[in-house]
Amino acid sequence: AQKVTQAQTEISVVEKEDVTLDCVYETRDTTYYLFWYKQPPSGELVFLIRRNSFDEQNEISGRYSWNFQKSTSSFNFTITASQVVDSAVYFCALSEVTPGGSYIPTFGRGTSLIVHP
Amino acid sequence: ETGVTQSPTHLIKTRGQQVTLRCSSQSGHNTVSWYQQALGQGPQFIFQYYREEENGRGNFPPRFSGLQFPNYSSELNVNALELDDSALYLCASSSDRGPYNEQFFGPGTRLTVL
Repeated sequence: AQKVTQAQTEISVVEKEDVTLDCVYETRDTTYYLFWYKQPPSGELVFLIRRNSFDEQNEISGRYSWNFQKSTSSFNFTITASQVVDSAVYFCALSEVTPGGSYIPTFGRGTSLIVHP
Repeated sequence: ETGVTQSPTHLIKTRGQQVTLRCSSQSGHNTVSWYQQALGQGPQFIFQYYREEENGRGNFPPRFSGLQFPNYSSELNVNALELDDSALYLCASSSDRGPYNEQFFGPGTRLTVL
């Protein structure tokens, strides 16, 4: 069965610090998708990034970057020069595609990031 | 373009009752997924509807059921409510059923079972 582990329950940083959120996953499939979502206090999950299992290129989007390493089954997320608005709960998720074309996504328990001014 | 909306925002029920939660998908989206998020936990996938048919189900008992209508809006029904059903219920819509399609989430319905 697929599993996603976010070992960091809560991280507290001061504004402008860099912070890395860890995500380790388990799957038996060779085809899968990994995601990161942000959940601000308002509750709505906001999609940040999607990666498929065949694309190990790291990605940078502004202050956000992602490091996907199949060898260690990790998909870590780094925020550079953190800001107070980055305060939220961040979820890593894994989806495997079933033969029928449907999929069952599994989310980690989330990491609460608190950025102090 | 209207985003995903959910109703009601909050709901209080007692054990054994039945509840219906509603979700309007984003314009142009034919796929709706439902999630249960208990306090301090990540969302758990309940099921997904694609073009009015169930297209994948998580590890939830049959008392969790759903519908998708021709306009692609959706309902989640929960019978015989239990205390553990207290959670935030999230609905997400996407333009197609594959995991490569970005999901857009609604604000959720907070259900409290007493």
